[in-house]
Amino acid sequence: NAGVTQTPKFQVLKTGQSMTLQCAQDMNHEYMSWYRQDPGMGLRLIHYSVGAGITDQGEVPNGYNVSRSTTEDFPLRLLSAAPSQTSVYFCASRSGWGQTSDTQYFGPGTRLTVL
Amino acid sequence: GDSVTQMEGPVTLSEEAFLTINCTYTATGYPSLFWYVQYPGEGLQLLLKATKADDKGSNKGFEATYRKETTSFHLEKGSVQVSDSAVYFCALSESRASGGSYIPTFGRGTSLIVHP
Repeated sequence: NAGVTQTPKFQVLKTGQSMTLQCAQDMNHEYMSWYRQDPGMGLRLIHYSVGAGITDQGEVPNGYNVSRSTTEDFPLRLLSAAPSQTSVYFCASRSGWGQTSDTQYFGPGTRLTVL
Repeated sequence: GDSVTQMEGPVTLSEEAFLTINCTYTATGYPSLFWYVQYPGEGLQLLLKATKADDKGSNKGFEATYRKETTSFHLEKGSVQVSDSAVYFCALSESRASGGSYIPTFGRGTSLIVHP
């Protein structure tokens, strides 16, 4: 059971480039989400999905796209990278459905630098 | 809306000292409350949780009690170790998103540094 996996671990982009951050989970979780972590800002929700084919915006969605074609995978796309997107990105998944007590499981993160 | 406020860090302690990290929350209903820990270079992992008022969550010597009257969920440990050095996040889960699932709200995190 690998849990939540993310690739790559590190990435450097130039302004204007696009890329996809990969996230996969093998726990058959319905709920998946993407966060960015910046110094002094804590975790901010970018996008989330409550199941295959269903996605919605979080707190800071601009500049990012997501899709959920399978239960296992939830990739995050940067359309045209900007220096303001330099951050550490975490993918998370959660078991259960509609339970406030459900635990979130986080991936190890992707550290992205945009020059 | 929901919010979580944590004490700002870093909190710097000597080994075997007593730890308290304060967390207060704002919610409209009856949330579940969590503490997550992030060790250097890793993702967050659940440390403990409590699902109703007066519940105490505990794990690895850490404890936190759900206090509805003071809307608090302070994290405590009687004797910290160097290996406890990490960032600690308080979180609540209440808001209902589309489709019936709950979106958690996280605090900004408190860095703990424990010296030998």
